Amino acid sequence: DTGVSQDPRHKITKRGQNVTFRCDPISEHNRLYWYRQTLGQGPEFLTYFQNEAQLEKSRLLSDRFSAERPKGSFSTLEIQRTEQGDSAMYLCASSLIPGQGRQVYGYTFGSGTRLTVV
Amino acid sequence: TQLLEQSPQFLSIQEGENLTVYCNSSSVFSSLQWYRQEPGEGPVLLVTVVTGGEVKKLKRLTFQFGDARKDSSLHITAAQPGDTGLYLCAGTPSGNTPLVFGKGTRLSVIA
Repeated sequence: DTGVSQDPRHKITKRGQNVTFRCDPISEHNRLYWYRQTLGQGPEFLTYFQNEAQLEKSRLLSDRFSAERPKGSFSTLEIQRTEQGDSAMYLCASSLIPGQGRQVYGYTFGSGTRLTVV
Repeated sequence: TQLLEQSPQFLSIQEGENLTVYCNSSSVFSSLQWYRQEPGEGPVLLVTVVTGGEVKKLKRLTFQFGDARKDSSLHITAAQPGDTGLYLCAGTPSGNTPLVFGKGTRLSVIA
């Protein structure tokens, strides 16, 4: 397994356009997470999936953002009507589901998609 | 919202020096993790600490989880230029919820 893959690595788009990012997690990992990171900040949680079910969305996530994980494999994150404030690094991570007796597994992150809205 | 405060925000030191960075919260976390991130890449897991008072060592890096599980520290001995990067702490209030990240400490080790 080559780890978590994200595509594209970079995306420049005009304000108002729609963009879609793809994430391929580690195949054995049931959980998939999307985070957003801006300059000088740590990753900010957006949403996560367990298998194909979307379990949580951040209250900070506007209605312009939507994510899917069909068949519990790869995931896509779509941003509609992009705004300059959407410019950021979008990070995808995957992990195993916490098991009994173990509180959390580490996340494996992809290299991210850097979005620039002009 | 569970907040993790990291300090210092920036740190620039000479090769061979020792340093400690801190991760603090007013809330209890079931576990804390430390990640290191290089420019243009995603964070990479360094360690997970789950028990109050726990100390873990990874070569020249020593991680400690506070007794009350509200804080953690990362100590680097004899820093090297390869240690340069953004160090992030992340925690979960329970094992089942997504990680919350601090803003990170940006470390620069000058040769």
